Amino acid sequence: DTEVTQTPKHLVMGMTNKKSLKCEQHMGHRAMYWYKQKAKKPPELMFVYSYEKLSINESVPSRFSPECPNSSLLNLHLHALQPEDSALYLCASSPPAGMIDTQYFGPGTRLTVL
Amino acid sequence: AQKITQTQPGMFVQEKEAVTLDCTYDTSDPSYGLFWYKQPSSGEMIFLIYQGSYDQQNATEGRYSLNFQKARKSANLVISASQLGDSAMYFCAMREGWGGATNKLIFGTGTLLAVQP
Repeated sequence: DTEVTQTPKHLVMGMTNKKSLKCEQHMGHRAMYWYKQKAKKPPELMFVYSYEKLSINESVPSRFSPECPNSSLLNLHLHALQPEDSALYLCASSPPAGMIDTQYFGPGTRLTVL
Repeated sequence: AQKITQTQPGMFVQEKEAVTLDCTYDTSDPSYGLFWYKQPSSGEMIFLIYQGSYDQQNATEGRYSLNFQKARKSANLVISASQLGDSAMYFCAMREGWGGATNKLIFGTGTLLAVQP
């Protein structure tokens, strides 16, 4: 089973709203990732969590706040977003060290900021 | 300099024919991994195939094979017997080093494949 789930599938929010994206995996993976993808472009890495600790933050604005409550769950809290933040947000996870570190992606959340 | 280059923005192929999607990479690290992903219009990134830098054989997964030419730094994806469902964006990606907690994938710009009946 290589399933990563993401909710919601679609989200429309205003610039003053606070919302959260959720990602879950039950494959025993210990690394989880958030990516942002604009139309017709490759995904851009935002954050990496390894063993529930933030290991990479790619200089993402503070209006994006990640959280990893446990090894299966990854959240992305959104606050005061801008219209240019509208994009597909992808979550991924990868197996622990010692295995091929393929990243398995979820279906994504399409975010529109009005 | 581009680390992953996909020179074909778009490709057409007839159903049931084979197609090759090009990918070249640039790294000075002797350890690296190469990945291909498929992204249909629905948005999900689907892992297709992996090649490690020390793997002696070309990777194969069903109708997908990776033509790995290390000296030329190329990792082309070959799809045999194309199907209409293969129409999608295809991304080549590289991970430098052994991977692990700081695993970062470097993506190419993608190739949009259209399979024609």
